[in-house]
Amino acid sequence: QTVVTQEPSFSVSPGGTVTLTCGLSSGSVSTSYNPSWYQQTPGQAPRTLIYNTDTRSSGVPDRFSGSILGNKAALTITGAQADDECDYYCVLYMGSGIWVFGGGTKLTVL
Amino acid sequence: EVQLVESGGGVVRPGGSLRLSCAASGFSFDDYGMTWVRQAPGKGLEWVSGINWRGGRTGYADSVKGRFTISRDNAKNSLYLQMNSLRAEDTALYYCARDYGGNWEDAFDIWGQGTMVTVSS
Repeated sequence: QTVVTQEPSFSVSPGGTVTLTCGLSSGSVSTSYNPSWYQQTPGQAPRTLIYNTDTRSSGVPDRFSGSILGNKAALTITGAQADDECDYYCVLYMGSGIWVFGGGTKLTVL
Repeated sequence: EVQLVESGGGVVRPGGSLRLSCAASGFSFDDYGMTWVRQAPGKGLEWVSGINWRGGRTGYADSVKGRFTISRDNAKNSLYLQMNSLRAEDTALYYCARDYGGNWEDAFDIWGQGTMVTVSS
């Protein structure tokens, strides 16, 4: 069974840039996996950041960007702010109507 | 305002059943595919099931296939998840989410606040 991999945790300094990745236990992520990214603060529902690899959802600041880097999908946050500190999830479309989420990355801004 | 409101969660014994509902408002419900995603306490997100705009196509995660059934009533702007043969590992906050397109294979753009399901004896 294919596992979607994310860094369990990451740290960034305020104002800094961080790139979170989303990979596969076997194989490479491409745009055909339709990667999307979600932000979740404690006790809240997820918020959509990026879909279709690199399209920002409505109202999402351009500090957030999506791409394919090497064999993974990537979420880059530039000019990190204190309220970016939360959990980030990617999800990949595996075909045949099946989506698989990554385990999530806990981002610390300090 | 575009909104999704889940209901129907509760405490149920292992082997029992529960039916979740998701009421949609503020958009043309029958234009969009819909999805259920769950989150066990302290854990990550898990995709559960999806349905296309018309209700004619559905998909399930292996963990729930054969036990859960997704359906929708476009006349009532409502999405459902019938959960049978519930197990302790089904304990989670269940979110409904709208897809960007008519199936559930684009991405999820609007999320509800979730309804909690606890499976315990």
